[in-house]
Amino acid sequence: DTGVSQDPRHKITKRGQNVTFRCDPISEHNRLYWYRQTLGQGPEFLTYFQNEAQLEKSRLLSDRFSAERPKGSFSTLEIQRTEQGDSAMYLCASSQLAGGRDYFGPGTRLLVL
Amino acid sequence: DAKTTQPNSMESNEEEPVHLPCNHSTISGTDYIHWYRQLPSQGPEYVIHGLTSNVNNRMASLAIAEDRKSSTLILHRATLRDAAVYYCILNTDKLIFGTGTRLQVFP
Repeated sequence: DTGVSQDPRHKITKRGQNVTFRCDPISEHNRLYWYRQTLGQGPEFLTYFQNEAQLEKSRLLSDRFSAERPKGSFSTLEIQRTEQGDSAMYLCASSQLAGGRDYFGPGTRLLVL
Repeated sequence: DAKTTQPNSMESNEEEPVHLPCNHSTISGTDYIHWYRQLPSQGPEYVIHGLTSNVNNRMASLAIAEDRKSSTLILHRATLRDAAVYYCILNTDKLIFGTGTRLQVFP
């Protein structure tokens, strides 16, 4: 069990640029989740996959956000035309079963200037 | 999504037991009660979860009310490393975090 990894750990970008984050879940986990966390708040659910199927997207996920999990293993989260309000910690988690324990990665901290 | 209510903050002295309460009056029969904690600049860390019966693990105990409308996370002997934000969450297919309880532990 090597845990959930995320890359990069930190990203600074200018407003209007596109950014892409990667999440590698624990290998046998079918479910993969993306969350966003701003300062002083709890994480907010964005979307989740079961294998390669994206089963739910939050209303927080605007058209500028897209997530993929093409082979049911790693996932990417892309933000197009970044805005300053996108500055946050983006967390990825994986689990084996619905309702079971989730394992979180260390997060990617995004700063949009 | 079912919601939980927790106190904003609690304090404890080191090596004392800590009881962190959570109300979840709208819980449904299939909702698992999960607890996670988060240290500054880290991702959330799983603590414990249960459905109906009380649960124990090496980190904590979870006491679930008979009607399942409330639960209590018990840290048997708080340490300085237990200082964190603790989230009580009802988990069906995803985690919906509230603002949690910020636990301060004093030496």
